[in-house]
Amino acid sequence: EDQVTQSPEALRLQEGESSSLNCSYTVSGLRGLFWYRQDPGKGPEFLFTLYSAGEEKEKERLKATLTKKESFLHITAPKPEDSATYLCAVQASYNQGGKLIFGQGTELSVKP
Amino acid sequence: DSGVTQTPKHLITATGQRVTLRCSPRSGDLSVYWYQQSLDQGLQFLIQYYNGEERAKGNILERFSAQQFPDLHSELNLSSLELGDSALYFCASSPREKYGYTFGSGTRLTVV
Repeated sequence: EDQVTQSPEALRLQEGESSSLNCSYTVSGLRGLFWYRQDPGKGPEFLFTLYSAGEEKEKERLKATLTKKESFLHITAPKPEDSATYLCAVQASYNQGGKLIFGQGTELSVKP
Repeated sequence: DSGVTQTPKHLITATGQRVTLRCSPRSGDLSVYWYQQSLDQGLQFLIQYYNGEERAKGNILERFSAQQFPDLHSELNLSSLELGDSALYFCASSPREKYGYTFGSGTRLTVV
């Protein structure tokens, strides 16, 4: 069964304290791995798509990497406005359609 | 504004009732996806339409149905509502299935 597990469930950082979020996945053929950011009461906001092991993408203080079993979202020198829940999702290549399987998310809190 | 419009934003209704949630995708996007988000289940895929045709189905209850109209807007119909149906319902759209989705801001459904 396709599965996505994110850790930790919650992460509290001081402003400027860099860290990483983990997304472990099990899928029969990966078409793509997606990272989203979600603020309370709002819809998820697309961040990155990674397609193959070794791929990396960056956006401001965020950098996403992908291996054959997991993905990391590195946050460098975070600011309070980076506080949100970060969601990881996978899309399987055998799927007809574009269904995404989401993890439970990591709730990030950055204190000034 | 993500470009995906969902109405209404909030809905409070009684058990046993029927409601319709509406979604207008981003201009040019042919795929529409519906997801349910509850505290204990995370984001769960319900159903996908592509250019008017049902493309993929998740664990959508028989009491739920959806359709995509010729102008590409979509409606999710929920009937015989139960307390457990209370959740955030998100619509998302994408130009093609391999791309990341753009989510709407959601409809918060409360069944009392």
